[in-house]
Amino acid sequence: AQSVTQLDSHVSVSEGTPVLLRCNYSSSYSPSLFWYVQHPNKGLQLLLKYTSAATLVKGINGFEAEFKKSETSFHLTKPSAHMSDAAEYFCVVTGNTPLVFGKGTRLSVIA
Amino acid sequence: DAGVIQSPRHEVTEMGQEVTLRCKPISGHNSLFWYRQTMMRGLELLIYFNNNVPIDDSGMPEDRFSAKMPNASFSTLKIQPSEPRDSAVYFCASSLRRENNEQFFGPGTRLTVL
Repeated sequence: AQSVTQLDSHVSVSEGTPVLLRCNYSSSYSPSLFWYVQHPNKGLQLLLKYTSAATLVKGINGFEAEFKKSETSFHLTKPSAHMSDAAEYFCVVTGNTPLVFGKGTRLSVIA
Repeated sequence: DAGVIQSPRHEVTEMGQEVTLRCKPISGHNSLFWYRQTMMRGLELLIYFNNNVPIDDSGMPEDRFSAKMPNASFSTLKIQPSEPRDSAVYFCASSLRRENNEQFFGPGTRLTVL
């Protein structure tokens, strides 16, 4: 079985400062991991995905995530937050089942 | 490609009425998923299809909910009769395979049941 835990329901950062959204996963299989972003009143958009290739994954809009098997983590980072990054972010895991979504982390960016 | 298409984008109806939500997946994708999103429960998988066949409907909340996929390019989610607690945003997503592949989401249908 797969599960994912997003450790923060809400993160607030100042514009121009780094972003860290934390995610831990559990999987009985070699997992594939994803981060999705949802802007207000919009659908979900894929930010990046890990599928057993390089452990450091680069995505769109300057985001990246590092797969750490020893820590069962897949944290999302960005060096410098922009106002347009304010959104809900979902960490997702899959092994041999459809995607399992975390409960989401709301990112606020303060000017 | 136009992406996943959902209609209507907004639906307001009265309790007891039948509601039908529609989805057109991305051409060539053979897996389709229906989700419901609410503030209280977050994003929930209701049902998914693989090659037009329902694989797992354990997320469907009640018998009032039903979903069909008559062909590879069309799916419906029906609620009959609708209740106020069904108010939510319903998303359809499609992928090349049901596992391990990224899902592409539609814009959602915002349903309000009065």
